[in-house]
Amino acid sequence: QSALTQPASVSGSPGQSITISCTGTSGDFGIFNLVSWYQQHPGEAPQLMIYEGSKRPSGVSNRFSASKSGNTASLTISGLQAEDEADYYCCSYAGSSTSVVFGGGTKLTVL
Amino acid sequence: QVQLVQSGAEVKKPGSSVKVSCKASGGTFTGYSINWVRQAPGQGLEWMGGITPIIGTANYAQKFQGRVTITTDESTTTAYVELSSLRSEDTAMYYCARARGWELLPLDYWGQGTLVTVSS
Repeated sequence: QSALTQPASVSGSPGQSITISCTGTSGDFGIFNLVSWYQQHPGEAPQLMIYEGSKRPSGVSNRFSASKSGNTASLTISGLQAEDEADYYCCSYAGSSTSVVFGGGTKLTVL
Repeated sequence: QVQLVQSGAEVKKPGSSVKVSCKASGGTFTGYSINWVRQAPGQGLEWMGGITPIIGTANYAQKFQGRVTITTDESTTTAYVELSSLRSEDTAMYYCARARGWELLPLDYWGQGTLVTVSS
């Protein structure tokens, strides 16, 4: 299965908002929005930030939000903070509920 | 508090096999899927496969079919991934990750990672 397509990098200044896109096929996203997003700081394990398209686990800031339109999912981070600087990965099922695919990852730089 | 603790770093020769463990604590074991995700140096995340202990059947990424085996031991609440016919490209950090339910996604809890180095 092919990886979901993400931009290699995005950047923004503190306080600004940024959006990271994640493009797949209709087979990846299906009719349900089951996309999840993960944040990974250097040297650490990934952390779940968004699941089932737009839900936030307990403890994740409401500055993180997500949506999907057609075959493109998006993660938006508002009120950028220095601690948001990290790699972000989208993830979804690939054609069936027994196969998973990640995006290539996006490096967020807070200027 | 769910915790996943993985076994220590490994150095392997090309052509050999490696088996990495992931011990779960702090919650029930059988009703949640455990997945294995790897990350080569400087690269992105790559799903290898997953298993739900209560169901017992593992699902694998096509890329690893025939070379990877994922198992669980309910008595010790431990999951394993074994990768055979190792080559240098398998050098990576290997993570186990537990889902929020019996389905493969989303991945709610992650182990600390196990570095596997394949070198002659």
